[in-house]
Amino acid sequence: DIQMTQSPSSLSASVGDRVTITCRASQTISTYLNWYQQKPGKAPKVLIYGASILQTGVPSRFSGSGSGTDFTLTISSLQPEDFATYYCQQTSTTSLTFGGGTKVEIK
Amino acid sequence: QVQLQESGPGLVKPSQTLSLTCTVSGGPISSGAFYWSWIRQPAGKGLEWIGRMLISGNTHYNPSLKSRVTISLDTSKNQFSLTLNSVTAADTAVYYCATETEHCSGGRCYEYLQRWGQGTLVTVSS
Repeated sequence: DIQMTQSPSSLSASVGDRVTITCRASQTISTYLNWYQQKPGKAPKVLIYGASILQTGVPSRFSGSGSGTDFTLTISSLQPEDFATYYCQQTSTTSLTFGGGTKVEIK
Repeated sequence: QVQLQESGPGLVKPSQTLSLTCTVSGGPISSGAFYWSWIRQPAGKGLEWIGRMLISGNTHYNPSLKSRVTISLDTSKNQFSLTLNSVTAADTAVYYCATETEHCSGGRCYEYLQRWGQGTLVTVSS
């Protein structure tokens, strides 16, 4: 199995801050990397797929980058509705795996 | 608008079988979907991918669950199902069904979980 490690596991930030979350794969996955946002009591929602392709309807303050084993999700200016938990997911193999999640909290 | 809804028992006894169904409404089950997937999330923890089925019948399962899991599809009922055998307390979680779609760009095709059910809590307890 490919292990996905996210860091940090949680962070505190203020509205307007630039936030960066990293995800590292235990082996190369090219750009087969998705990012999801999950709010309490709700199902996750895809933000980015293919490491950097913004899903339709997702605000442009979200961006993704990386390839191989190291990836980042950036929120350029944190908004109140962005406080949530973010997960990366690899789809490079037929055994999909998620990262452990990063909880973004209000400072 | 295609919607997914999980259904099934909320309480299962240890060593018994967990069975859940996902009903797709608002369109045919094959609409925009390449895979029909199940994911679970224990309370306060992260997401765990359980497995998926392609319309061809091919299945992919999490290796750690493979010996106990079956995912099946019933296109006539617009439903797909999850069966998990020999459950223990460690299987207590919110279970989500989801459909996976594919988008091709730059010579590569990417899969992602596009539509999700609201999730259903399954507790394993005697």
